[in-house]
Amino acid sequence: GIQVEQSPPDLILQEGANSTLRCNFSDSVNNLQWFHQNPWGQLINLFYIPSGTKQNGRLSATTVATERYSLLYISSSQTTDSGVYFCAVSFYNQGGKLIFGQGTELSVKP
Amino acid sequence: DGGITQSPKYLFRKEGQNVTLSCEQNLNHDAMYWYRQDPGQGLRLIYYSQIVNDFQKGDIAEGYSVSREKKESFPLTVTSAQKNPTAFYLCASTIGHKDYGYTFGSGTRLTVV
Repeated sequence: GIQVEQSPPDLILQEGANSTLRCNFSDSVNNLQWFHQNPWGQLINLFYIPSGTKQNGRLSATTVATERYSLLYISSSQTTDSGVYFCAVSFYNQGGKLIFGQGTELSVKP
Repeated sequence: DGGITQSPKYLFRKEGQNVTLSCEQNLNHDAMYWYRQDPGQGLRLIYYSQIVNDFQKGDIAEGYSVSREKKESFPLTVTSAQKNPTAFYLCASTIGHKDYGYTFGSGTRLTVV
């Protein structure tokens, strides 16, 4: 089956720093999403981005489908950005079920 | 406000007991999903349902059962056959067509005592 690999596994930043998280996937996919899981376990959908670039405030994401990777950029990080960031892929013919990477755990220090 | 409600937030199970986790959504979404998360791991799919009265096994369905009698509800039963049930369980829903914008519940943390 498809493999979804995220890097780095852990990241520690000082408040105000920028970071880039990467997601590689081993086969063509129909959809790719980025999620943030806060320290209480709640998963929030950040981007639905099968291809191209999207921006939402300090966060942006780029997916290069032909090269099978996606990047999540966090600029001017804040302590509230802490948590785990997951990349997940899905296929139209598989009922929309998501296949998750292992996540990047981000800790932003004040 | 529309959303997904999971209950209870914390659940303790004795060895050999079945327990049922509740998931209710008022988003009018067709598809619903159950995922399991172990510490330091990504989420793995247990069961999913794209329409009322129909559901499919995910990657780790053994020891679990579900029902989908109403569009709004997708309860998960963790049976005594599930040998390692301690985990964080997340329910999700989507519109069900190609958009697949996911909404997750806040999760149930199940512990075997």
